[in-house]
Amino acid sequence: AQSVAQPEDQVNVAEGNPLTVKCTYSVSGNPYLFWYVQYPNRGLQFLLKYITGDNLVKGSYGFEAEFNKSQTSFHLKKPSALVSDSALYFCGGPGAGSYQLTFGKGTKLSVIP
Amino acid sequence: EAQVTQNPRYLITVTGKKLTVTCSQNMNHEYMSWYRQDPGLGLRQIYYSMNVEVTDKGDVPEGYKVSRKEKRNFPLILESPSPNQTSLYFCASSSLTGIWETQYFGPGTRLLVL
Repeated sequence: AQSVAQPEDQVNVAEGNPLTVKCTYSVSGNPYLFWYVQYPNRGLQFLLKYITGDNLVKGSYGFEAEFNKSQTSFHLKKPSALVSDSALYFCGGPGAGSYQLTFGKGTKLSVIP
Repeated sequence: EAQVTQNPRYLITVTGKKLTVTCSQNMNHEYMSWYRQDPGLGLRQIYYSMNVEVTDKGDVPEGYKVSRKEKRNFPLILESPSPNQTSLYFCASSSLTGIWETQYFGPGTRLLVL
């Protein structure tokens, strides 16, 4: 079983600046982690995942995430934020059941022009 | 076009009046699931199904029922809705091997229970 937490309800960043959306996890074995994005009035879209391998995972729309085992974190990053990146971001992973999924509470990212 | 569809998209109902939200996918996915999204609580899984006639509870199953009689459909049933079930509901699907890879989400159903 695994749990995830997103410590920030909202993140504000200026357009063109790097952005980071934080996620921490708690798991007894090897973690499986992913990020999804929800644009206004839309369903969630997959961004990227970590299962094993390189600690830096590249995903859609120029996003990447850094897996850090010692800090039990999986932060989402982008070198240069766009106004169109403004959305709700969810990290998640396996839940308590064999095929269950669990998501964090979400972080609202606002990119200011 | 590969997609997950939900109907209705918006629904206003009254306490106790049974309702069904339908979910259908055209990708031949084995895995389907329902979520509710609430401010401050994020996305919580209600039920999931690994295949036809195989379902299991998620984190918040109370007050909900599901059935999986066909592979493509996974309806969510509220037999006696209450105001605390006012929420935004999402259906999602994936292949069984792709559960941890990519979930395909529907557009959402916004439910208001008066």
